Formats: sequence, C-alpha cells, structure tokens
Amino acid sequence: QQQVKQSPQSLIVQKGGISIINCAYENTAFDYFPWYQQFPGKGPALLIAIRPDVSEKKEGRFTISFNKSAKQFSLHIMDSQPGDSATYFCAASRGAGTYKYIFGTGTRLKVLA
Amino acid sequence: DVKVTQSSRYLVKRTGEKVFLECVQDMDHENMFWYRQDPGLGLRLIYFSYDVKMKEKGDIPEGYSVSREKKERFSLILESASTNQTSMYLCAARDSNQPQHFGDGTRLSIL
Repeated sequence: QQQVKQSPQSLIVQKGGISIINCAYENTAFDYFPWYQQFPGKGPALLIAIRPDVSEKKEGRFTISFNKSAKQFSLHIMDSQPGDSATYFCAASRGAGTYKYIFGTGTRLKVLA
Repeated sequence: DVKVTQSSRYLVKRTGEKVFLECVQDMDHENMFWYRQDPGLGLRLIYFSYDVKMKEKGDIPEGYSVSREKKERFSLILESASTNQTSMYLCAARDSNQPQHFGDGTRLSIL
C-alpha cells in the first residue's frame, strides 16, 4: 500500500512532442503529489505538485493530471525540448508537511533535437 | 529557497571503514533526510530527523546511523562500509508544510 508505481522507465521523444509519465498509488490517505526533475550530477528539484482537490495543474509547459478514482496521476510535458532531458520522479505523501515521501522509481527522459 | 550542501561530491572508501557523509542546510529547517538513490529503485529513505538530536528510521536504516548535533547539520554514518553501500546519497531539508529540497548528492564507492 505504500508503493508508488511509475512508468515508463525510459522515454524518448522528439523535440516539440509531448512527454507523458504516469504514476499510480494505492494508499488513499496520500494527499500530496509532487514531481521532481533531476539533471545528471544534480539533486532532484521540485518541478510541480498537486493536491487531490483539483484534477489538473499547469505551470508553463508542465501539467499534472490527477485521477482520484483511479488513483493515478501523470506528468505531461508539452512542446518537449532537449533541455527537458532529465530523470523525473513522482512522489506521494500524506500532506506536504509529513516526514515521508514515497518516491516512484524514476523515468529517464531523452528529448531528441 | 533552502540551500542544501553535501560536503563531498565523490567519495571512495574501503570495505570496513567508518564513513561520514555531511550535509548542511542554510535555512534553519527542522526536518532533514538522508536517501540513497539506486538505478531502478528510485529514492529510498534511510533516516530522517525532525529536530536536534531527534531521529527516526526510514525504510532502509540497516548499516547506517545518523547524527544531528546542530540544527543545520545532519550526518550519515556508515559504521563499517560494505560494497553493497556503493550508491548515490542524497540529503534533503524541509520546513513544515513545505516540500523537500535536495542537495546535489554524494556518489560513494566502496571498494
């Protein structure tokens, strides 16, 4: 019940395309879902986050879609750019202020120029 | 934003050595965390601390200990390093009701 399943493991997208990364969770007590972006040699950095009271959140080219009934959430990167090439992690927790985030296993995205 | 600094980017140690990984944050945040990152396994929580001298075990604490003598500093200790502890180690800090902010990691190799 504590797992967050992330797919795909790796993704190759053409420049200008849409990148989609999916995550699924089981614990219905989770109520905070952040996405982190990690470039090689760097630590993960918070990209965008959502709470289950909304079905979608958009920040620039990045959108989180949230399906509470299916217990799934996804990251969409519109107009993907080579600079978006990175590893993306989804996570879930019981509130942003809780101690523990449960992380997905990561998706390595490569955007071809 | 909080700045989390890990003292070493790369570290090579030998089996059986006692290893110290240091992490410092600059925002007086109460909560600090140590994770290890392995390919295909994501980030796994080793230990976290919610105040000076306070600590809680995470999901994979075996073989590790931690120390938090000052609020800004959180150390991860490998009591007797083993080859299966070769990994990327990430420190994070967080204030209440805020997301976690990570350092750039220490890549540790145990030979």
